[in-house]
Amino acid sequence: AQTVTQSQPEMSVQEAETVTLSCTYDTSESDYYLFWYKQPPSRQMILVIRQEAYKQQNATENRFSVNFQKAAKSFSLKISDSQLGDAAMYFCAYRSTNNAGNMLTFGGGTRLMVKP
Amino acid sequence: EAGVAQSPRYKIIEKRQSVAFWCNPISGHATLYWYQQILGQGPKLLIQFQNNGVVDDSQLPKDRFSAERLKGVDSTLKIQPAKLEDSAVYLCASSLVGTGTYEQYFGPGTRLTVT
Repeated sequence: AQTVTQSQPEMSVQEAETVTLSCTYDTSESDYYLFWYKQPPSRQMILVIRQEAYKQQNATENRFSVNFQKAAKSFSLKISDSQLGDAAMYFCAYRSTNNAGNMLTFGGGTRLMVKP
Repeated sequence: EAGVAQSPRYKIIEKRQSVAFWCNPISGHATLYWYQQILGQGPKLLIQFQNNGVVDDSQLPKDRFSAERLKGVDSTLKIQPAKLEDSAVYLCASSLVGTGTYEQYFGPGTRLTVT
């Protein structure tokens, strides 16, 4: 079974600064997907960014980018030019390409605080 | 496009009572998921439907939890009888399978408090 670990329960960043959230995972599979989800106080999970394991190029979405290290099984999220609206829980998630469905395995989350 | 709808948003019950949650997925989405998110943890999959059939319910406590997806659209998750440890947010998600895009779209969740 796959496991996802987020070792930082809380992180803090100054507005306009850059912050990196860490995620490691354990799997024996060679092909899979990785995701970062944002969960604001409204509780609605919002997809931030996704990475296909077969792609060597790191995914980017505007101010959000990842550092995907397949050999190290590491998948960190970098948020540039942090904004007050970025404050939320962030969850790293893994999805196998082999199972019958698309179930996600989530990490425990990192609470990001943004200071004005 | 309307998102995933869930109701109620909040529910408070006493232990040993029963409760039901409702989910309406995005129109046309064949796959529906129920996740349980205990405070301070990431969501954990309870059950996954493909149309009206169950794909995975290996983590569903079947002695007290049940779920159905009639006609392959709306779904209901029931807990009977509830225990204190069932206090959590119950998230419903849906995805469009078979077109090459597998993003799961989440609803706002139902926060259950069992006293």
